[in-house]
Amino acid sequence: AQSVTQLGSHVSVSEGALVLLRCNYSSSVPPYLFWYVQYPNQGLQLLLKYTSAATLVKGINGFEAEFKKSETSFHLTKPSAHMSDAAEYFCAVTRVSGSARQLTFGSGTQLTVLP
Amino acid sequence: DVKVTQSSRYLVKRTGEKVFLECVQDMDHENMFWYRQDPGLGLRLIYFSYDVKMKEKGDIPEGYSVSREKKERFSLILESASTNQTSMYLCASSFDRGRTTNEKLFFGSGTQLSVL
Repeated sequence: AQSVTQLGSHVSVSEGALVLLRCNYSSSVPPYLFWYVQYPNQGLQLLLKYTSAATLVKGINGFEAEFKKSETSFHLTKPSAHMSDAAEYFCAVTRVSGSARQLTFGSGTQLTVLP
Repeated sequence: DVKVTQSSRYLVKRTGEKVFLECVQDMDHENMFWYRQDPGLGLRLIYFSYDVKMKEKGDIPEGYSVSREKKERFSLILESASTNQTSMYLCASSFDRGRTTNEKLFFGSGTQLSVL
């Protein structure tokens, strides 16, 4: 069964520092992988997705993620954190459920950006 | 702009009450979903629908039912609310046609339900 594990439920970085949010996946078939972001009092929105094209995927707001099959990882990075990046981030993987493909979400990582 | 609207931001109900959570999307999307979000557990799929009057169970359907009478509206029903159903409920929709891919989801801002 497809699943994702997010390492670290809370991550704090200083403004301007590197952001690294970790996600490892488990999948018996080539996975489609995603990062979603949830800002306070809002629903989730898609940040980026990997669908077996380029292994380095660029998303919105300067975020990117690299698919590493050998490490079964899909970590999210941003070179320089901004205060507006404070949010909860969810990694997700596609799986088959019933008659359709669905997303399985990780437990989330709360990112705090310190001034 | 794409919009998924959930009727209430906060809702307080008593144990045993019947609860309706409403969700409307204005994007003509085929697929709609209900998730619940709990700290440390991420999002868990309750039910989804890929067409009017069609529904399928997700991972945690027990204690819930759904209704999709019109394409734009997807309702989640708690027949007899219990305290363990206190949670944030998120509705989502997707534009992928048919049942092949449902990855790009558009979410509403959520309903925080408290059952006392």
